[in-house]
Amino acid sequence: AQSVAQPEDQVNVAEGNPLTVKCTYSVSGNPYLFWYVQYPNRGLQFLLKYITGDNLVKGSYGFEAEFNKSQTSFHLKKPSALVSDSALYFCAVRPWGGYQKVTFGTGTKLQVIP
Amino acid sequence: ETGVTQTPRHLVMGMTNKKSLKCEQHLGHNAMYWYKQSAKKPLELMFVYSLEERVENNSVPSRFSPECPNSSHLFLHLHTLQPEDSALYLCASSQDLAQVIYEQYFGPGTRLTVT
Repeated sequence: AQSVAQPEDQVNVAEGNPLTVKCTYSVSGNPYLFWYVQYPNRGLQFLLKYITGDNLVKGSYGFEAEFNKSQTSFHLKKPSALVSDSALYFCAVRPWGGYQKVTFGTGTKLQVIP
Repeated sequence: ETGVTQTPRHLVMGMTNKKSLKCEQHLGHNAMYWYKQSAKKPLELMFVYSLEERVENNSVPSRFSPECPNSSHLFLHLHTLQPEDSALYLCASSQDLAQVIYEQYFGPGTRLTVT
């Protein structure tokens, strides 16, 4: 069975500083990995995905994520945080091959402090 | 906006009521999903439809009954719910299930409170 761990319930970062939101996964075989963001009173919004190829994936709003197969991690990063980045971030994984359901993590609340 | 709408946005219902949640996607997608989101828990996948055919029923109690009349519309019929069913119910769609790389597009959700 696949699983996703987001070890931090909340991450606080000062505006302008780099941010990292952590994600580790467990899956049989190769993974597809996703990051979604949820703003208050809204549904989840797709940020970026890793399918294959370059381990550094760039996505929306200046976010990027690094796939590390040996550490089974897919941490979300941004070089300079904005107050408007404050939201709930979800990591998700699904295995390759046929129809497989997506498993989401519990979410990490990012608070960017002005 | 993501192209997925949900109504109502908020719903309060008693345990003996019957109500329905509606989802509509304007993206031309073939797959639709219902999720339950509760605080501090992972998103729980409830149902998956592909081209109006249910492909997954994730051990959901029978008091939740989905309906997919066409590939653009998805309903969740609710009856005799329990207080622990109070949550945010999210609808999502994706281009299809066969190509697993497609991301999902989510609606804003229906905040359900069972009293």
